Amino acid sequence: EVQVVESGGGLVQPGRSLRLSCAASGFTFNTYNMNWVRQAPGKGLEWLSYISSSGFTIYYADSVKGRFTISRDNAKNSLYLQMNSLRAEDTAVYYCARTIYLDYWGQGTPVTVSS
Amino acid sequence: DIQMTQSPSSLSASVGDRVTITCRASQDINNYLAWFQQKPGKAPKSLIYAASSLQSGVPSKFSGSGSGTDFTLTISSLQPEDFATYYCQQYKSYPLTFGGGTKVEI
Repeated sequence: EVQVVESGGGLVQPGRSLRLSCAASGFTFNTYNMNWVRQAPGKGLEWLSYISSSGFTIYYADSVKGRFTISRDNAKNSLYLQMNSLRAEDTAVYYCARTIYLDYWGQGTPVTVSS
Repeated sequence: DIQMTQSPSSLSASVGDRVTITCRASQDINNYLAWFQQKPGKAPKSLIYAASSLQSGVPSKFSGSGSGTDFTLTISSLQPEDFATYYCQQYKSYPLTFGGGTKVEI
């Protein structure tokens, strides 16, 4: 069974950092591109970042470019999102999702940026 | 960036109704369109990809159509478990973009 499980969310002060993780199982992780998507409270879905199966190709949304860094460790079947210089508007549930058409999603991990 | 516009933003329907949701892209995206269902407090669930291909395990009451800039999601006979918010998403190019969502209510 395909599973992706996010972790690492929590309450963080503005300007601080947080690292999210996504553990994948049930599929050959190193052959799939992966994405991070978020959803602010009561809002729609916002794509954040993409990483190719090899890790060599990476894209970011303008809203997080220069502050967030996506990475992966294929040996550990894991995806990461390093979030720096966090702002109140980064408060959201963060999801990892498989492939360009987002066929499998995790349950999400909530991030609250507040003093 | 490709803008995705869904309509309506919400609709009221009854069990057994046939429901159609529309999604329009700001430019030609061929058939690079996906549909998702999201229930409150839950992650989105993939329903359809490539505009009309049903994801594994998704019931056939869901169907998608369209190509180019105009797409539809149809639920043939609405059931209580189908009351949710539905999103379209283009994957013709990055940044991936979503429609604003359609909330299907009783």
